[in-house]
Amino acid sequence: KQEVTQIPAALSVPEGENLVLNCSFTDSAIYNLQWFRQDPGKGLTSLLLIQSSQREQTSGRLNASLDKSSGRSTLYIAASQPGDSATYLCAVRISGSRLTFGEGTQLTVNP
Amino acid sequence: NAGVTQTPKFRILKIGQSMTLQCTQDMNHNYMYWYRQDPGMGLKLIYYSVGAGITDKGEVPNGYNVSRSTTEDFPLRLELAAPSQTSVYFCASSYSFGGGRFANYGYTFGSGTRLTVV
Repeated sequence: KQEVTQIPAALSVPEGENLVLNCSFTDSAIYNLQWFRQDPGKGLTSLLLIQSSQREQTSGRLNASLDKSSGRSTLYIAASQPGDSATYLCAVRISGSRLTFGEGTQLTVNP
Repeated sequence: NAGVTQTPKFRILKIGQSMTLQCTQDMNHNYMYWYRQDPGMGLKLIYYSVGAGITDKGEVPNGYNVSRSTTEDFPLRLELAAPSQTSVYFCASSYSFGGGRFANYGYTFGSGTRLTVV
């Protein structure tokens, strides 16, 4: 059974700091991995999708990497801003269209 | 476009009561899902559907039922509410692009229903 774990569970940083969120999964037979953002009272928003054949994807200040053989992904956020405060979830797709989610990392960026 | 609309946003149920969580999407997506999220946990798949008339169980289906009579609607039914069903419920839909084993899916999530069973 695929299990997805995210570390740390919560992170508080000062504005402007670069930071890394970690995601690990137990079964390397994935189609892709996706990072989502979750704001309180709202649904999830997709940030980045990495195919199993890719090593990384970038969007603005966000960079996600994937090491499928070791079962790890990282989300790097450069020059963090208070507006980045949210919960970040990683999810893997291993069968059909279904996703398996990690527990999330709650990020707080302090002004 | 409204995207994925969930109603109600909040609900308090008594043990043993039943209710239906409504989910509607206006994007003509074939795939729809129900997830629950407990505090500090990730989303767990309850049920999913790959098209009208087709549903299947996810990770945690016990205590729930679904139906998919139209492409747009995917209601989730709780028959005998229990405190263990206190959670935030998310409905989502997705479309596929690409083909075969290289198909990818774009997901849209609703804003959630916060359910408390007392």
